[in-house]
Amino acid sequence: GAVVSQHPSRVICKSGTSVKIECRSLDFQATTMFWYRQFPKQSLMLMATSNEGSKATYEQGVEKDKFLINHASLTLSTLTVTSAHPEDSSFYICSAVLRLGQGSNQPQHFGDGTRLSIL
Amino acid sequence: DAKTTQPPSMDCAEGRAANLPCNHSTISGNEYVYWYRQIHSQGPQYIIHGLKNNETNEMASLIITEDRKSSTLILPHATLRDTAVYYCIVRVNQAGTALIFGKGTTLSVSS
Repeated sequence: GAVVSQHPSRVICKSGTSVKIECRSLDFQATTMFWYRQFPKQSLMLMATSNEGSKATYEQGVEKDKFLINHASLTLSTLTVTSAHPEDSSFYICSAVLRLGQGSNQPQHFGDGTRLSIL
Repeated sequence: DAKTTQPPSMDCAEGRAANLPCNHSTISGNEYVYWYRQIHSQGPQYIIHGLKNNETNEMASLIITEDRKSSTLILPHATLRDTAVYYCIVRVNQAGTALIFGKGTTLSVSS
């Protein structure tokens, strides 16, 4: 079945560091990818929608200059947390949807998440 | 705001069927019902989805009421590995639309 790979699975770094998280669709092309954030004991919160070849659409309250998203190909989207601070510590999860034309009710497939800890 | 209502928690004995309910009384005609689950510290796993007919796959069965205002996810023979948070989500039938997660149901399977 469809697989979404996310890397790295865990990151620990100092405050002020920028961290890049990669999300790859391994056996399908993904026109659209989504980035979520999950704090402990809470549900997933949508951060942004990433479309291949265009700018990402951010949800209200998510700083686009802090969370840089690049979707340069149909199999790769990256999320860069710039100048990370302890309050950015969270579980970041990406997901991907099959390319348009293959059924708009296709399920989203999720990566295994990246646990980001800022010291 | 979440468009579904689920009980916060449920318990199930190993080997028994787990029936997880979901209310979605405001669902519109072009919205599908999706079920995902999240095991601790992992990304959500797709289980099943449907529009109006009942659906079954190797993981579970989805029963949708005739008026589509509620549904039930059935895990026929629950195992300890089915312990997870289960999310029922309605999603419009439009490409590029994200899943919006509510609080889900924490299912605890015990031996």
